[in-house]
Amino acid sequence: DTAVSQTPKYLVTQMGNDKSIKCEQNLGHDTMYWYKQDSKKFLKIMFSYNNKELIINETVPNRFSPKSPDKAHLNLHINSLELGDSAVYFCASSQRVNTEAFFGQGTRLTVV
Amino acid sequence: DQQVKQNSPSLSVQEGRISILNCDYTNSMFDYFLWYKKYPAEGPTFLISISSIKDKNEDGRFTVFLNKSAKHLSLHIVPSQPGDSAVYFCAASSRFGNEKLTFGTGTRLTIIP
Repeated sequence: DTAVSQTPKYLVTQMGNDKSIKCEQNLGHDTMYWYKQDSKKFLKIMFSYNNKELIINETVPNRFSPKSPDKAHLNLHINSLELGDSAVYFCASSQRVNTEAFFGQGTRLTVV
Repeated sequence: DQQVKQNSPSLSVQEGRISILNCDYTNSMFDYFLWYKKYPAEGPTFLISISSIKDKNEDGRFTVFLNKSAKHLSLHIVPSQPGDSAVYFCAASSRFGNEKLTFGTGTRLTIIP
C-alpha cells in the first residue's frame, strides 16, 4: 500500500503543451511538497502546502501551479512546457512542516 | 547558494567495512538534520535524523554524528552491505522556524563485494 504515490511515472511531451502530475498520500500528513531534481541531481523545493494552504513558493515560473483539493492531494500543473522543464519531479509529504518527508517515486518529465 | 554541501560525489567501500559519508552546512538556523537514501528510479527514502540538541543518533547499522561548531555531520554505516549501494542525500531544516528542508547534492556510495 503505497504511502505517497504520483502519476504518471514517465511523461514525454512537446514544447508548448500543458500537463499535470498528480500526487496522493495516505499517511494522514498535514504537509505536502513538490521537489524538482534537475540534470545536476540537485533536489530543490518548489512548493509546500500545509493543510491545503500554500506556505512555501520558491522562485518558480508562473507556468507552474500547484493545486491542493484536499490534505491528501497535491497536484502540479505546468503550462506552456519548455525544454528546460525536463527533470524528475518528486512529490513528498510530512507530518509537520520541515520534518522528515516521505517521497513518491518521482515523475520523469521529458520535453521535446 | 548551496547551504548544504556534500563534497564527495562518490565513495567506494569494501563490503563489511565502515562507510562514512560527510555533509557540511552553512546556515546556523538549521536545527534538524536528516539523511536520505535513494535508489535509481525511486524517490528518496528517509534513513535517520538528528536534532541539534544531540551530537549522535544511532539506528542499527546507521549512526549520524553532528558537530555543531564545525557545522558538519556524518553518516556511518557499519558494516557496509551490497544493498547499501545508493545515492545518499544529507538534508537540513529548522523544525520550528522558517528554514525549509534543504538537500545536499548527494554522494553515490558503492559497496564492493
